[in-house]
Amino acid sequence: DTGVSQDPRHKITKRGQNVTFRCDPISEHNRLYWYRQTLGQGPEFLTYFQNEAQLEKSRLLSDRFSAERPKGSFSTLEIQRTEQGDSAMYLCASSLPTGPNTGELFFGEGSRLTVL
Amino acid sequence: AQSVTQPDIHITVSEGASLELRCNYSYGATPYLFWYVQSPGQGLQLLLKYFSGDTLVQGIKGFEAEFKRSQSSFNLRKPSVHWSDAAEYFCAVGGSYIPTFGRGTSLIVHP
Repeated sequence: DTGVSQDPRHKITKRGQNVTFRCDPISEHNRLYWYRQTLGQGPEFLTYFQNEAQLEKSRLLSDRFSAERPKGSFSTLEIQRTEQGDSAMYLCASSLPTGPNTGELFFGEGSRLTVL
Repeated sequence: AQSVTQPDIHITVSEGASLELRCNYSYGATPYLFWYVQSPGQGLQLLLKYFSGDTLVQGIKGFEAEFKRSQSSFNLRKPSVHWSDAAEYFCAVGGSYIPTFGRGTSLIVHP
């Protein structure tokens, strides 16, 4: 399978715990995005990498959230001291910066977080 | 700032009937426009996209969309809906960097 993969698919945690999600993009894609999706809403942009550089972060990304892409390949999204409001689907997507698919995002199946 | 409005939260159609899902956007230049579909528990899949050229674009699964600059719209259409089309549909706008998504329209298909 050469698509975008995310792990874990589901995570249930207690309020105050830390969680980490991993995303493996399509191998030749140098852009990687994190979005958050809550019930009944569309994906909301969180952050974006080009290679290993984090180029933009949304105001939604509070100090408790941190994302990395250390070698320009896989990425991790960590949420510290989780709150119930963090419960959502966290979507990862990757893309190419040029060519016929410019701007098109390829999504993983998401990591669903439930904070009790 | 770029934004997308999908005015219909839910649309119900009978199988075999035609479909039109509405999308209005706000963007400062010529936009890149996309329609994605999401089945329950799944990620988003691209249906079609508009970058430039012909304003009527064809996508997968028999879908098409028409870009109307004067109306800032990019409505999605399908002439005959199948039960398997029941899903959430998202319109998105952006340049080549960070697409912004609408809140989605849930399509319900009656037999």
